[in-house]
Amino acid sequence: SYELTQPPSVSVSPGQTASITCSGDKLGDDYAYWYQQKPGQSPVLLIYQDAKRPSGIPERFSGSNSGNTATLTISGTQAMDEADYYCQAWDSSTVVFGGGTKLTVL
Amino acid sequence: EVQLVESGGGLVKPGGSLRLSCAASGFTFSSYSMNWVRQAPGKGLEWVSSISSSSNSIYYADSVKGRFTISRDNAKNSLYLQMNSLRAEDTAVYYCARDRGVTPDAFDIWGQGTMVTVSS
Repeated sequence: SYELTQPPSVSVSPGQTASITCSGDKLGDDYAYWYQQKPGQSPVLLIYQDAKRPSGIPERFSGSNSGNTATLTISGTQAMDEADYYCQAWDSSTVVFGGGTKLTVL
Repeated sequence: EVQLVESGGGLVKPGGSLRLSCAASGFTFSSYSMNWVRQAPGKGLEWVSSISSSSNSIYYADSVKGRFTISRDNAKNSLYLQMNSLRAEDTAVYYCARDRGVTPDAFDIWGQGTMVTVSS
């Protein structure tokens, strides 16, 4: 079965750029999606179709996808960005989520 | 306001059954594919099942195939998940989520989730 691999944790200082990767076989051939989930809350869509932001998502969130790796980039990271981040892709007609990355802003 | 509200969670014994519901409002429910996604305590997201707008296409994760059944009633703007032969490993928060696209795409609207606990 298809798998997406994310680093379990990423740390970043406030104001700096955080990058969270998501690896999967030929992931760049399909779209990647990103979600943010804060403790006790439902996931929120951050990025769809590799690099598009839904209405209301700040410009500091951006995405890219090429080869075997999709990347979520958070520019000018803020304390409020501390959360779990999940990548997602479609494998035929089923959905695969990455294991999630806990972003710590310190 | 676009909204999804899940209900029906609770405590059930192993081998038991439970039916989850998801009430949609604020959008044309019949135009969207819908999904169930679960999250075990302290764990990541796991896709469970999807159903197309007209119920023509239905898919399940291998972990629930043969035990869970997804369905919808477009007249009632509602999505359902019938869960049978429940196991301890089915314990999770269950979210319903809307697929934003005509073709499989991102999940742009999520409910608040309903907790299912399978324990004796």
